[in-house]
Amino acid sequence: SAVISQKPSRDICQRGTSLTIQCQVDSQVTMMFWYRQQPGQSLTLIATANQGSEATYESGFVIDKFPISRPNLTFSTLTVSNMSPEDSSIYLCSATPGGGRRTEAFFGQGTRLTVV
Amino acid sequence: GDSVTQMEGPVTLSEEAFLTINCTYTATGYPSLFWYVQYPGEGLQLLLKATKADDKGSNKGFEATYRKETTSFHLEKGSVQVSDSAVYFCASGGQAGTALIFGKGTTLSVSS
Repeated sequence: SAVISQKPSRDICQRGTSLTIQCQVDSQVTMMFWYRQQPGQSLTLIATANQGSEATYESGFVIDKFPISRPNLTFSTLTVSNMSPEDSSIYLCSATPGGGRRTEAFFGQGTRLTVV
Repeated sequence: GDSVTQMEGPVTLSEEAFLTINCTYTATGYPSLFWYVQYPGEGLQLLLKATKADDKGSNKGFEATYRKETTSFHLEKGSVQVSDSAVYFCASGGQAGTALIFGKGTTLSVSS
């Protein structure tokens, strides 16, 4: 298993500003994933972060808006840039340890972001 | 592409009632299947999983069986409790290097 610590747990931000969310895993993992969960909705994958290379973004998400860093095998950050009220969501970090085996994903507690 | 479909909610039950939440998947291969639970204000927790056909995952009184012939992974519990009130997500995937695919989630509300 893996324990994922995510911070901040919540924040209220002014529109036009940026927020960086940190995600720390207690073991080395190859891939980390960032999701967005809008109120009452399911999880939408933002991007996949592989250590040592640029993140891979899903359709509808771009690096300028959601820059991601992955400096090592246990840590990643997601920045929500130039925020607007539509960015108000829960942002979740996830990792799948276990190397090549089929395995479950573990999640951080999420960051509840409100943009005013 | 691969997808997961689960029954729409909300599901409202009385304590000790029987629970079924339907989940079906489409996939090009043979994914692992998962049920996650999200309690209010918290992140996702793995509830149970199954990695191959006919496997049964179970945890905390919840069960789900991987049915390849019907591409289903329905979640069941014989007697729900108020503390089971949460959002339940069905997911598929688990291949190395790929993200899980989630259903839309089903909100369960149990009253005493």
